[in-house]
Order: sequence, then C-alpha cells, then structure tokens
Amino acid sequence: EAGVAQSPRYKIIEKRQSVAFWCNPISGHATLYWYQQILGQGPKLLIQFQNNGVVDDSQLPKDRFSAERLKGVDSTLKIQPAKLEDSAVYLCASNPLGRNSGNTIYFGEGSWLTVV
Amino acid sequence: GDSVTQMEGPVTLSEEAFLTINCTYTATGYPSLFWYVQYPGEGLQLLLKATKADDKGSNKGFEATYRKETTSFHLEKGSVQVSDSAVYFCALSTRGSQGNLIFGKGTKLSVKP
Repeated sequence: EAGVAQSPRYKIIEKRQSVAFWCNPISGHATLYWYQQILGQGPKLLIQFQNNGVVDDSQLPKDRFSAERLKGVDSTLKIQPAKLEDSAVYLCASNPLGRNSGNTIYFGEGSWLTVV
Repeated sequence: GDSVTQMEGPVTLSEEAFLTINCTYTATGYPSLFWYVQYPGEGLQLLLKATKADDKGSNKGFEATYRKETTSFHLEKGSVQVSDSAVYFCALSTRGSQGNLIFGKGTKLSVKP
C-alpha cells in the first residue's frame, strides 16, 4: 500500500514570497491533516479535512496560510506571504475515518521549508 | 486544554542499555495514547499505541502501558541498539479532537556503540 505522498521535499524561499505544498493521502482515507513542525518541537495541527470539508482550522494563520482539498483526495497548503517564523517541516497525514480516536494516523515524509 | 508532557532530551545511552522516556498527559475523557518515532530525515512513524486504561502497546522491543491513575504512558525498551537513535514523540487523541493528535515536544535518543 502506497503511503502519504508529499512534494516538494525541500524548499528555500525568501520572506514575503509564496510557496505551495502538495499532499496525496493513502487511497481511501477520508481524513487529511496538515501539521507544522518547528525545529525542536512536536507537530502542531494546522488544518483537518473530512473528505472535502474543513473539520478544524482553528490554528491555521488564515491571514497567510490557506489549504484546500477540492475533490476530497489530494490537498494543497499555501503560504503567502511567507515569514521567517514559517520555517518548519509541513507534515501531511491521513486517517481512514478520523472520528474514532483509536484510528492510526499515517504521516508523509514532510516538506521542509526554509524562509530566508 | 489537552496536553502532553515528555521528558527533555537529549538522552544518550550505550548500546544494550535500558531505556525509559517519561510521558504524562492531561486530557478530558479517555484519550488514546501513542508513541511516534522520527528517524533522521524521515517522517513520523507510529511505534505503538494503547486505546484504553491498562492496555500495553508494544512493537520492536518497545513497550508502554496506559496508566490512568498516574496519567502516564512511559516508553521502555530493555536493550537499545544504535539503530534506535531517533526522536520519540508521545501523543494523545481524544474523541473531542476529531481524532487529531496532540504531541509532546519530542525526546532525542542517541545510542552509542
């Protein structure tokens, strides 16, 4: 079974530029998450989708971050304009259902962003 | 709100030493508890989990027991190997969180030959 796919793996941009990350979850997984992992910290949820609807985006900085999952499969996370503090690893994850707290969440390898 | 606290690292051990990484949690209701591992340059991988009190999760020689009375989920391994060098994250998930994970800050483990 293919895992969660993310691209690009690495990106370096200047502050105030924009960047987009793409994620394709495990086939058939209804729930998709974007997490932000700053160096030395644990991942923090940015946004959660159930199919193509947003379940939780309370921690997404909506003035600069946006995400969509138009067809309920793959997803794009965009940052515009980027700030230095956005330097982090952006992890995409998926889960078959999401409503059962015992379900395992599967993570992609992450997209490493450096803002200079 | 819900939170996870795990011991600060880094932790440096010699090969075949005993490992304990402490993890305690605060949550409403009855969370599921997880340990994830992140090897250098790789994504997070589920190591083990426990979904109710007194459950023991185990995998690759690692174990953790869900202790409701002490709100803890400590990770243990009897004999570590160099290949266990990684960052270990304790996490919880509650029904109220729609299944998403709340992570601790991570503990970096280095095992020396």
